[in-house]
Amino acid sequence: GAVVSQHPSWVICKSGTSVKIECRSLDFQATTMFWYRQFPKQSLMLMATSNEGSKATYEQGVEKDKFLINHASLTLSTLTVTSAHPEDSSFYICSARPGQVLSYEQYFGPGTRLTVT
Amino acid sequence: AQTVTQSQPEMSVQEAETVTLSCTYDTSENNYYLFWYKQPPSRQMILVIRQEAYKQQNATENRFSVNFQKAAKSFSLKISDSQLGDTAMYFCAFMTGYSGGGADGLTFGKGTHLIIQP
Repeated sequence: GAVVSQHPSWVICKSGTSVKIECRSLDFQATTMFWYRQFPKQSLMLMATSNEGSKATYEQGVEKDKFLINHASLTLSTLTVTSAHPEDSSFYICSARPGQVLSYEQYFGPGTRLTVT
Repeated sequence: AQTVTQSQPEMSVQEAETVTLSCTYDTSENNYYLFWYKQPPSRQMILVIRQEAYKQQNATENRFSVNFQKAAKSFSLKISDSQLGDTAMYFCAFMTGYSGGGADGLTFGKGTHLIIQP
């Protein structure tokens, strides 16, 4: 159990376009989901925290108008990279925290590789 | 704000040897959790072991154990009888304790690339 999926697993888009990444908890309800960004050979950096039905909380330095996060249901959160540029190319990973179990449990998706040309 | 430091960018050991990965952290919180995650080439994050700060006993999961020194803010990972499949990036991570008012994400160290040689 406790599986998190991401779609797509990889995407290539042209500069100036927008791309949406989905994060789904397949067998549990996630009251909280997190979005991380990982550059090549680097660590994961928390971008934002989303709670179902409320606005996302962004980490300092993350442009909320560029990285739109929607957590419309207990099993789905989306990250939309608007007007993407080559510097947005990265590996984006989501994680989901169940609402009914111990607070430290969170499960990671497999990640989405975004390449902006 | 919390910081997590991993001072070993890369380590290499022979199969079956024991290896210890170091991690230090800085926080003013008293209630928190520490984790070690493994990221193989597939890039899927895999939880290796977890330690609650309020527990004095070091966590153990089969071949993996930690040495948690709260006063020194140190959290090292020991891998015994290392196997080829242990080759991966290992990240130390910190999370503040859940206060009921919200949930925090993880703060990661820069990682240690562990290579197990046959």
